[in-house]
Amino acid sequence: GQQLNQSPQSMFIQEGEDVSMNCTSSSIFNTWLWYKQEPGEGPVLLIALYKAGELTSNGRLTAQFGITRKDSFLNISASIPSDVGIYFCAGGPSGGSNYKLTFGKGTLLTVNP
Amino acid sequence: KAGVTQTPRYLIKTRGQQVTLSCSPISGHRSVSWYQQTPGQGLQFLFEYFSETQRNKGNFPGRFSGRQFSNSRSEMNVSTLELGDSALYLCASTLSGPRDSPLHFGNGTRLTVT
Repeated sequence: GQQLNQSPQSMFIQEGEDVSMNCTSSSIFNTWLWYKQEPGEGPVLLIALYKAGELTSNGRLTAQFGITRKDSFLNISASIPSDVGIYFCAGGPSGGSNYKLTFGKGTLLTVNP
Repeated sequence: KAGVTQTPRYLIKTRGQQVTLSCSPISGHRSVSWYQQTPGQGLQFLFEYFSETQRNKGNFPGRFSGRQFSNSRSEMNVSTLELGDSALYLCASTLSGPRDSPLHFGNGTRLTVT
């Protein structure tokens, strides 16, 4: 089956630093999504990407859909303590439909104030 | 607009029992998907329902089943529970799968099997 390799597994950073994480796959995806999950809650959508090469921002977050359709990255600028959580990438199938996603294993982000 | 609602939030069952989890999607959303989240395997797709029909299924044994009602609410059932079924079960909804409607997740049901 399809698999996503997400890295790094965890990050410990100081408040104010920039963060970068990425996902790669041996399979092509037609949708890339980035979610954040906090303890006791479900994943919350951060950014959705639907076109190869697309670069999209949401506040301090920026994500890109790789040209090869096999990768995506997420950057967080000027991190703050509330950025703490697990960040997941997810790839969606052809046709743009998003009900069946393949998720990465997540990046655990810890921000030291 | 209310989000995806899952009940109960926590559940403790013993091996061999069965369990039913409930999910109410966002109003107007007709597609409901279920995912299992464990520390080892991460988030894995169970199945998806649309208009009361199972439209897609993941690689889980037949002990895992679900259904969707005419109001789009969905239930998931696990029979003959095993210790390995302990997980966070997440429900997610979307309009119908169009490209501009990504999944919106509920807060999950934490199932512990003893």
